[in-house]
Amino acid sequence: EAQVTQNPRYLITVTGKKLTVTCSQNMNHEYMSWYRQDPGLGLRQIYYSMNVEVTDKGDVPEGYKVSRKEKRNFPLILESPSPNQTSLYFCASRLSGYTEAFFGQGTRLTVV
Amino acid sequence: TQLLEQSPQFLSIQEGENLTVYCNSSSVFSSLQWYRQEPGEGPVLLVTVVTGGEVKKLKRLTFQFGDARKDSSLHITAAQPGDTGLYLCAGGTASGGSYIPTFGRGTSLIVHP
Repeated sequence: EAQVTQNPRYLITVTGKKLTVTCSQNMNHEYMSWYRQDPGLGLRQIYYSMNVEVTDKGDVPEGYKVSRKEKRNFPLILESPSPNQTSLYFCASRLSGYTEAFFGQGTRLTVV
Repeated sequence: TQLLEQSPQFLSIQEGENLTVYCNSSSVFSSLQWYRQEPGEGPVLLVTVVTGGEVKKLKRLTFQFGDARKDSSLHITAAQPGDTGLYLCAGGTASGGSYIPTFGRGTSLIVHP
């Protein structure tokens, strides 16, 4: 089954404790993206990647890092999480820029 | 980053009513997509429109891309409770060989039985 898998689904952590949210897709897609979704603000892109070892900043990259060492994986790293990073995070992949985006089920992160 | 404005932000209607959701921008888009997101899930693609003036139908949903490719609308006929969800439009343009679309803030629709 074609899918994008994120882990974990829920995470509560403390300020400053490094964390990684994993994302994996099994569709051999080139494009992968990370979004955060906040009430009233919609989906905002954090980082995106057009291929292995190619990443670029989206609209809200501050406080986040990503890597794309393999085509299928695109982890999101928060080196020192802060409460303003409490949000619902989505990973998405697409075959190319113009095609359908497939989203993971989301990771609800709370930073206290 | 292109700005996509969706309206209305919230919509609460009774089963059987018709509704229209709008997605507007000052930018011209190469293509525009509509997604629906249900609570606890990621967005799922409904349709992609690429040609100015294009109209696509998906059962009771009608999607239109403006002639100038700056705006789009989604019309739902005889809404049902199963249509409840967040409707998102996403558009973008090709730049430097890449195409990364931007999402609007969404329209939250509730259809009451």
